[in-house]
Amino acid sequence: DAKTTQPNSMESNEEEPVHLPCNHSTISGTDYIHWYRQLPSQGPEYVIHGLTSNVNNRMASLAIAEDRKSSTLILHRATLRDAAVYYCILLNNAGNMLTFGGGTRLMVKP
Amino acid sequence: DAGVTQSPTHLIKTRGQQVTLRCSPISGHKSVSWYQQVLGQGPQFIFQYYEKEERGRGNFPDRFSARQFPNYSSELNVNALLLGDSALYLCASSLGLKDYEQYFGPGTRLTVT
Repeated sequence: DAKTTQPNSMESNEEEPVHLPCNHSTISGTDYIHWYRQLPSQGPEYVIHGLTSNVNNRMASLAIAEDRKSSTLILHRATLRDAAVYYCILLNNAGNMLTFGGGTRLMVKP
Repeated sequence: DAGVTQSPTHLIKTRGQQVTLRCSPISGHKSVSWYQQVLGQGPQFIFQYYEKEERGRGNFPDRFSARQFPNYSSELNVNALLLGDSALYLCASSLGLKDYEQYFGPGTRLTVT
């Protein structure tokens, strides 16, 4: 399986945008880029996914590099409730078995 | 609608014992997956079941087994427990086999002493 690389941790101020990077240089053409997050003491939660084009939903935006070797999850206005571990995951169309890495722990300061 | 539910919430077992964890998916969801999350790490995939058949298996020993019932609920069994089996066991459900969005339950915290 193609691997992803994320920073271990990031800090943000409340009400400011947050850009969470993910490198996936060995991504294949059929791999979708998924983001999940895990709030403290909860199971992971789906955030967003994309293939080639940038994507927006009510939770976040996903910006995908033109060569697809990296992507960025964008939280437009961080809140204290966004403090979580964010996982970037590659998933091909053969199934939905998620392979989690270490993720990025996002800390939001008031 | 209720989300994914898991029982029990917490469990303490001793080495060598056997344990059964239970999961009820969201109504209408036919796929259930199990993950193990050791403290400080990301979840690791154990099994996926769809329409009562095993559709995927992670790199776990044969001591781990699972099944899915006609109502799509699922059980995860672990035999001959080891200290290293102490973890949060997460269940996730999705509508189908390849749906991109999985819904996770709160997990069962298993402690092996």
